[in-house]
Amino acid sequence: SQQGEEDPQALSIQEGENATMNCSYKTSINNLQWYRQNSGRGLVHLILIRSNEREKHSGRLRVTLDTSKKSSSLLITASRAADTASYFCATATSGNTGKLIFGQGTTLQVKP
Amino acid sequence: DGGITQSPKYLFRKEGQNVTLSCEQNLNHDAMYWYRQDPGQGLRLIYYSQIVNDFQKGDIAEGYSVSREKKESFPLTVTSAQKNPTAFYLCASSPTGGSAYNEQFFGPGTRLTVL
Repeated sequence: SQQGEEDPQALSIQEGENATMNCSYKTSINNLQWYRQNSGRGLVHLILIRSNEREKHSGRLRVTLDTSKKSSSLLITASRAADTASYFCATATSGNTGKLIFGQGTTLQVKP
Repeated sequence: DGGITQSPKYLFRKEGQNVTLSCEQNLNHDAMYWYRQDPGQGLRLIYYSQIVNDFQKGDIAEGYSVSREKKESFPLTVTSAQKNPTAFYLCASSPTGGSAYNEQFFGPGTRLTVL
């Protein structure tokens, strides 16, 4: 089952601009994670935000979480061509199975 | 170097054949996972294992089988019962199987094509 829905499906921006991706989910969560995938490669973990947190920063990344709206956003500031990739949100639901449910992803293209 | 390795990178299978995808990790992680990714889609969970000698079905386990005889190894067999096996397969691990707060570490993937 797909818990996360991401918006937009594709995003194209110029280098130096900010990129914002959104994720909505359906059920209550323990935490929400964002991953990055370069074409044809495995995923790389970017950031984890717990259900009792509202905002988290890591370098040029800013993640927000609104549990009342069941949504999260990932902001990449001052984007670079190297940020070109697909970005996925993943939710860890109640219980401690360690299972994640992934969204369908946003494909970001940063033009030099 | 610590990490997760998957082999082979590309695999071709004839219809009716079983094939086994390898996943090995030297991170000393308890939990391991297998995902399937179709073009333009997210990841769907096939099987997961929270500890050695134990594994659970994910959302799309039909036509697949796994074993977890060693902590570092979690091979996936794609059987002839899987009707549409062409996909990109990703293996992941996380430190503990009983925590919702672990990030997952991914291997580079195996691309399986049925001829």
